[in-house]
Amino acid sequence: SQQGEEDPQALSIQEGENATMNCSYKTSINNLQWYRQNSGRGLVHLILIRSNEREKHSGRLRVTLDTSKKSSSLLITASRAADTASYFCATDSSGGYQKVTFGTGTKLQVIP
Amino acid sequence: DGGITQSPKYLFRKEGQNVTLSCEQNLNHDAMYWYRQDPGQGLRLIYYSQIVNDFQKGDIAEGYSVSREKKESFPLTVTSAQKNPTAFYLCASSIEGTRGNEQFFGPGTRLTVL
Repeated sequence: SQQGEEDPQALSIQEGENATMNCSYKTSINNLQWYRQNSGRGLVHLILIRSNEREKHSGRLRVTLDTSKKSSSLLITASRAADTASYFCATDSSGGYQKVTFGTGTKLQVIP
Repeated sequence: DGGITQSPKYLFRKEGQNVTLSCEQNLNHDAMYWYRQDPGQGLRLIYYSQIVNDFQKGDIAEGYSVSREKKESFPLTVTSAQKNPTAFYLCASSIEGTRGNEQFFGPGTRLTVL
């Protein structure tokens, strides 16, 4: 089964509103990453948060991590139509290499 | 420009045929990965390679094969043994295969079996 599960599966908001997506995972992690995928394209890395960090910002993105609840959230502030995409969380697992497990994604639609 | 390329963008094959998907990177990355994405699902790891001449099976390797003869190239062959090959295939690379490294993705190849 997937390590990360995003919630909601789909989200539709008006331009200018904030969008919040959540990711829950099952086992302990070292890092959690968020990626964005435009329809029919490859994924683009957005942000990485380490297990000893609680919050991280990058431009209009804010990521939080709660290791006690095994969950993370991605907040996009002042959304734009160009933010329309699917967003995936990716968690790593123990082991000698970066075995990154992707969730099922949240499909965000920002209506102009 | 540095990047990772995949070809072709769309690929059609008849049942029973093997087909090879190309993945090339000029980022000087050691690690490369192949993922499969089905509609409404996340990415599932097929194979990965941490270094030239070495590769390991991922979660869904059955019916697939790879080679890593050059640092820049990591082709994926979808064999006739893969029962349900129609999917979107994504190649990625990272500086090294250790934890916490950003993965850079190619644009993907959409494979359809007729």
